[in-house]
Amino acid sequence: DGGITQSPKYLFRKEGQNVTLSCEQNLNHDAMYWYRQDPGQGLRLIYYSQIVNDFQKGDIAEGYSVSREKKESFPLTVTSAQKNPTAFYLCASSRVGAEGQPQHFGDGTRLSIL
Amino acid sequence: SQKIEQNSEALNIQEGKTATLTCNYTNYSPAYLQWYRQDPGRGPVFLLLIRENEKEKRKERLKVTFDTTLKQSLFHITASQPADSATYLCALIYGNNRLAFGKGNQVVVIP
Repeated sequence: DGGITQSPKYLFRKEGQNVTLSCEQNLNHDAMYWYRQDPGQGLRLIYYSQIVNDFQKGDIAEGYSVSREKKESFPLTVTSAQKNPTAFYLCASSRVGAEGQPQHFGDGTRLSIL
Repeated sequence: SQKIEQNSEALNIQEGKTATLTCNYTNYSPAYLQWYRQDPGRGPVFLLLIRENEKEKRKERLKVTFDTTLKQSLFHITASQPADSATYLCALIYGNNRLAFGKGNQVVVIP
């Protein structure tokens, strides 16, 4: 079955540590996205990429970094500079070209600080 | 500032009735609007897309309207079932297929 796989489902970080969240898709989509969801808040865009080796900052990129070396993969690193990293992180992908393409989401990684 | 507003209170509805959710937006001019369903601990799932020149879109028991003058979309679930219980997210498209999401509106269908 085609889809998006995020791992791990739960992740714990100590203060001052960087952690990397994995996102892999086998939908052959060109575009990939990372969102953060906090309780009672809408999804907020962290980074997005429309093509391999290229990505753009979203609305809340500070304290995060990404890479897009392969079409299938878009890992997100939460750095120690992110002061409030506890959240539910969602990865998505979509086709590019026509506007309005639906985004397909993974089932998220929940990050907590120890 | 740009805002997308959905009702923060959960909608409790009797099975078989129609649930209606509202999405209001300000300082956006979207050509497209999407609705997603999200279950607890899961990622959102795409339900419907409606374009600015479409007044209404239907898919099975779901109906969406889009009024660009009122800056509002309505989402209806007819003949609601307990399996429809979830949070429903409104999302506007604002360039390069980026989405701006509302906070979501929870629906609880009571058997």
